[in-house]
Amino acid sequence: DIVLTQSPGTLALSPGERATLSCRASQSLTSDYLAWYQQKPGQAPRLLIYDASSRATGIPDRFSGSGSGTDFTLTITRLEPEDFAVYFCHQYDTSPLTFGGGTRVEIK
Amino acid sequence: EVHLVESGGGLVKPGGSLRLSCAASGFTFVSYTMNWVRQAPGKGLEWVSSISRSGDDKYYADSVKGRFTVSRDNAKNSLYLQMNDLRVDDTAVYYCATYLWEVPYWGQGILVTVSS
Repeated sequence: DIVLTQSPGTLALSPGERATLSCRASQSLTSDYLAWYQQKPGQAPRLLIYDASSRATGIPDRFSGSGSGTDFTLTITRLEPEDFAVYFCHQYDTSPLTFGGGTRVEIK
Repeated sequence: EVHLVESGGGLVKPGGSLRLSCAASGFTFVSYTMNWVRQAPGKGLEWVSSISRSGDDKYYADSVKGRFTVSRDNAKNSLYLQMNDLRVDDTAVYYCATYLWEVPYWGQGILVTVSS
């Protein structure tokens, strides 16, 4: 199974700052089928990015995804108050589906 | 628009059974592999099961193998998860999920609580 390792575990930042989240895969994703989700307490995950770099419908352009192979990054250029949440990566490139452990972005 | 709506969750005692359903709309259901994913309270996400387009091929996580059975009814655009011999650590929100043109689609999830 492909193991996804996210870092850091927690990111403490202020509104307006830039957030850079990392997701590393234990083996290369053949087609870069990697997604990023945002999750807030009590809510279902919200799709932000798919195919490593494609923004989902309705997602603000301050969210961007990059990377290929084994190293992927989610960048939030200017944190808004509503962006403080848990973010996790997910690969659907190779069965079985696997997920990163998440990065919590909290207010500094 | 793609919609996946789970139902059938609730509270059940350890050793009990529950059947989850997922009603799909907005896409050609028979053309896509379907999946179940779960998230225990305060924990990360875990793939549970997948079923091929025809329903002939089924796959399970080791944690549920032998206890859960996935099935689908392509005529009804529906996915199912029969859960038997439920354990406390099966407590989770269960999501049905599919991938259309490389875009992930998930339902809103349904809570299953296993407790005495």
